[in-house]
Amino acid sequence: AQSVTQPDIHITVSEGASLELRCNYSYGATPYLFWYVQSPGQGLQLLLKYFSGDTLVQGIKGFEAEFKRSQSSFNLRKPSVHWSDAAEYFCAVNTGFQKLVFGTGTRLLVSP
Amino acid sequence: GAVVSQHPSWVICKSGTSVKIECRSLDFQATTMFWYRQFPKQSLMLMATSNEGSKATYEQGVEKDKFLINHASLTLSTLTVTSAHPEDSSFYICSARAIAQETQYFGPGTRLLVL
Repeated sequence: AQSVTQPDIHITVSEGASLELRCNYSYGATPYLFWYVQSPGQGLQLLLKYFSGDTLVQGIKGFEAEFKRSQSSFNLRKPSVHWSDAAEYFCAVNTGFQKLVFGTGTRLLVSP
Repeated sequence: GAVVSQHPSWVICKSGTSVKIECRSLDFQATTMFWYRQFPKQSLMLMATSNEGSKATYEQGVEKDKFLINHASLTLSTLTVTSAHPEDSSFYICSARAIAQETQYFGPGTRLLVL
């Protein structure tokens, strides 16, 4: 069965430092991959997505992610974190049956 | 573009009553809408997939008679929680997928509290 693993439940990063959130997926074919961000009490906002082509994708708010087929990973990165980036981040895979399978999420805390 | 709204944003109701939640795609036509449930500090759990003009497909363990879904138009889907009980209290989020698109766009969510 398809699955998404986000091994870090929460991460604390100093403001201005770089960030990497890990995501590993389990799926037989080439997946469609997504990163969403959720602020407290809010819905999910799409940060970026990968369908095919260039394995390094750029998203909104200065985020990027790299698809690595050999590692079954789609890690999210940002070179310099801002306090407003504190939120819950979800990685998701579209399995081809219209459905999204979500990881358990990583809560990002930004320290001054 | 790709804005999805939900109404109401929060609702409090008495046990035994029914609550309707609306999900609208504001600037695109959504052939498919999805309903999720999210418990505190947890991920999203898909409840059902709603295709315009046809019956919704429910995930295993979701009671179709309790969570009624209607997708009457390409811009509106509704979720009705019937005979709500305190254990139905949760954060309900919808998403919408445009025709021939793979990306789901999410609404802001509806917080339901059943007393």
